[in-house]
Amino acid sequence: ELKVEQNPLFLSMQEGKNYTIYCNYSTTSDRLYWYRQDPGKSLESLFVLLSNGAVKQEGRLMASLDTKARLSTLHITAAVHDLSATYFCAVDIKGTYKYIFGTGTRLKVLA
Amino acid sequence: GAVVSQHPSWVICKSGTSVKIECRSLDFQATTMFWYRQFPKQSLMLMATSNEGSKATYEQGVEKDKFLINHASLTLSTLTVTSAHPEDSSFYICSVSGNTEAFFGQGTRLTVV
Repeated sequence: ELKVEQNPLFLSMQEGKNYTIYCNYSTTSDRLYWYRQDPGKSLESLFVLLSNGAVKQEGRLMASLDTKARLSTLHITAAVHDLSATYFCAVDIKGTYKYIFGTGTRLKVLA
Repeated sequence: GAVVSQHPSWVICKSGTSVKIECRSLDFQATTMFWYRQFPKQSLMLMATSNEGSKATYEQGVEKDKFLINHASLTLSTLTVTSAHPEDSSFYICSVSGNTEAFFGQGTRLTVV
């Protein structure tokens, strides 16, 4: 059974600080996705990581994928309040577009 | 990416009644769609795979007779929650597979009273 774990589950950080969210998964997969979810809303796609060693950056967020370690990271640089949201990683089941989502990380950036 | 539209965005129904949720792929023909459920402050859980022209495939623990899925065309899948109870109150989200990723609808908030 594929399991996807994120840590931390909750993260409260000061504006301007850096932090990393980790996503570990239990079986082989070459496709990993990061999403943002605001309260009461659906998912906003952040990053699509399709191969080992993939690194993508958008603004203050950078995501990477290590398929051998079965680990993805979402790094936040110089956090701002607008980044406050819940972040999910998701792993594709054998290229089927069926996703197993991580537990989620609720991020709160304090002004 | 594909545009996926869900309707309604929110619905309140009485316990024991049935509710239908629609998921439309507006610019992409989808032979497969997926339905997820998200309880408050939890992650998304895959419920079922909707297959155009054939029966849906349900994940373990999801009651197929309670959550009826119909995928009659390449652009529309429907999820009907039958005999809804308060414990079915949740956020239901559908997705459509694209070339390299799935695209998600805006979700439907179901409240059963």
